[in-house]
Amino acid sequence: QQQVKQSPQSLIVQKGGISIINCAYENTAFDYFPWYQQFPGKGPALLIAIRPDVSEKKEGRFTISFNKSAKQFSLHIMDSQPGDSATYFCAASSSGNQFYFGTGTSLTVIP
Amino acid sequence: KAGVTQTPRYLIKTRGQQVTLSCSPISGHRSVSWYQQTPGQGLQFLFEYFSETQRNKGNFPGRFSGRQFSNSRSEMNVSTLELGDSALYLCASSWAGLAANTGELFFGEGSRLTVL
Repeated sequence: QQQVKQSPQSLIVQKGGISIINCAYENTAFDYFPWYQQFPGKGPALLIAIRPDVSEKKEGRFTISFNKSAKQFSLHIMDSQPGDSATYFCAASSSGNQFYFGTGTSLTVIP
Repeated sequence: KAGVTQTPRYLIKTRGQQVTLSCSPISGHRSVSWYQQTPGQGLQFLFEYFSETQRNKGNFPGRFSGRQFSNSRSEMNVSTLELGDSALYLCASSWAGLAANTGELFFGEGSRLTVL
């Protein structure tokens, strides 16, 4: 059973556009929601993370929106660039326990 | 500061064989966790070691095992390999372990295992 459901599986966006990736979870004990970015041949790297006491967190062109009541969170990439082309994973965890990752979204930004 | 180092990067085995993968965490990091990455399944948690003790374990069969040494280096072993074990195996380290819940996992580049 997938603890964290991620969509879409793949996404193609024009340069300058907005990329949106969505994740949903069921376990209300989750209290930490990071996003990881993975380039081909590399391991994932932490991009941005949020805790459920806030509804939004922004770092540069990357924003996490968090909806606790709906048990959903999403990653928005503003002004998408070709260099953002990568696979993005959402994840969730509760204190002292393992991370559950989504299945990943392959983002392609077309110049 | 050196990152997480995994060896070997690529390997090919046949069904029934066993394999050992190695992970050297970032200096000072005491927690090492292992993940299996396959297309369509994302990252599946295998286990986490902190100060030589296994603290968390994912839902994988007993053929998958691991250990951590006193210098925090970790190994994972897969016995009696099956075709479905073909995957990228990622190691991640952190200084405080999963219990700290900081999200600061630092991943290596992985060991790509192909089982024929």
